[in-house]
Amino acid sequence: DAGVIQSPRHEVTEMGQEVTLRCKPISGHDYLFWYRQTMMRGLELLIYFNNNVPIDDSGMPEDRFSAKMPNASFSTLKIQPSEPRDSAVYFCASRAGGYDIQYFGAGTRLSVL
Amino acid sequence: AQSVAQPEDQVNVAEGNPLTVKCTYSVSGNPYLFWYVQYPNRGLQFLLKYITGDNLVKGSYGFEAEFNKSQTSFHLKKPSALVSDSALYFCAVESGYSTLTFGKGTMLLVSP
Repeated sequence: DAGVIQSPRHEVTEMGQEVTLRCKPISGHDYLFWYRQTMMRGLELLIYFNNNVPIDDSGMPEDRFSAKMPNASFSTLKIQPSEPRDSAVYFCASRAGGYDIQYFGAGTRLSVL
Repeated sequence: AQSVAQPEDQVNVAEGNPLTVKCTYSVSGNPYLFWYVQYPNRGLQFLLKYITGDNLVKGSYGFEAEFNKSQTSFHLKKPSALVSDSALYFCAVESGYSTLTFGKGTMLLVSP
């Protein structure tokens, strides 16, 4: 398996623009997680899905952030409108079951100017 | 609520010397503990985990960790450090919430 695949690897955009980050989990994994990593706040869980259903989105910072998982092989994280404080590295991870290993993608480095 | 503390922002060690990266945790139930490593511009990679059983867990790249229930600790160790071990290390705990709580990370720098 190719692992968790995220795209794009880098995204540079201007304040106010819509940003969409994409993730393809490992085939057969039931859980998908979106994280954000910054120097100030470390690694934060934004939202996670189980069997394509959002379970906990309490980490989503504001209504500007939304996430979807239309099928077992694809998820998106959207920021609209984007702000400079959204600049961070966004990771997607998947795992097969509870208490199992999470496998992380390489991340998307987002810069909002 | 569950939490993880990594008290050191950075650990410096000379190549060939033993290394320890500290981690303590707080959970209300049985802890499931993990160590991950992050190399520059990469995602987190799994190193090892403790679910149950032997308190000494062996993982990838020669790393091991010791689970100590009375001290609520799960320190990461390696007998002989390599320069290539230099990276950011995260301790994480899961206990009944289906999600991992990560520590803030410890940067390990191994000098030649």
